[in-house]
Amino acid sequence: EVQLLESGGGLVQPGGSLRLSCAVSGFTFSSYAMSWVRQAPGKGLEWVSAISGGGGSTYYADSVKGRFTISRDNSKNTLSLQMNSLRAEDTAVYYCAKSLTGTTFRSGYCFDYWGQGTLVTVSS
Amino acid sequence: QSALTQPASVSGSPGQSITISCTGTSSDVGGYNYVSWYQQHPGKAPKLMIYDVTNRPSGVSNRFSGSKSGNTASLTISGLQAEDEADYYCSSYTSSGTLVFGGGTKLTVL
Repeated sequence: EVQLLESGGGLVQPGGSLRLSCAVSGFTFSSYAMSWVRQAPGKGLEWVSAISGGGGSTYYADSVKGRFTISRDNSKNTLSLQMNSLRAEDTAVYYCAKSLTGTTFRSGYCFDYWGQGTLVTVSS
Repeated sequence: QSALTQPASVSGSPGQSITISCTGTSSDVGGYNYVSWYQQHPGKAPKLMIYDVTNRPSGVSNRFSGSKSGNTASLTISGLQAEDEADYYCSSYTSSGTLVFGGGTKLTVL
């Protein structure tokens, strides 16, 4: 059974940092690109970042470029998102998501499994 | 990257068919067959319903179908059922090598 379990969310002040993790099981982690998608309270989905299966290629939305860093540890089946210089508008539930197919983001642009999400609140 | 344009809401009666549109540009929807659709019930994670414009993942009802014409993709749900009531989001790969979602459409089953 495929499982994705996010952790690391919480309350942080503007300008602060937070690191999210996503522990996965039930599939060959290194064979799939992975993404982070967020959803602000009462709002729609927003893609945040993606990483190729091997970890060598990373992609970011303009809204987080330069502030967030995605990474993965294929030996530990873990996806991470380091979030720096956080802003109020980063407040959202953050989901990790497994690409349907492929190790590249282009081939794996859609997601067949999602975690339950972890809430990040940026507020003073 | 601007969000894809979806109607805020649609509605239909049980047994009817509805269509949700998703309009982008030649840099996203119109330029690639990399369009997908998600269903999201309140408090739940999204569920993939359609990928590559027209394909259904295993386990998704054949009442759900997708299509595309130019810069506009569409999701059609036939034989509406009460459990179809949810939010629906389209998404597309873009020429910038990123992913963009639509603003979402709330489907109400009357």
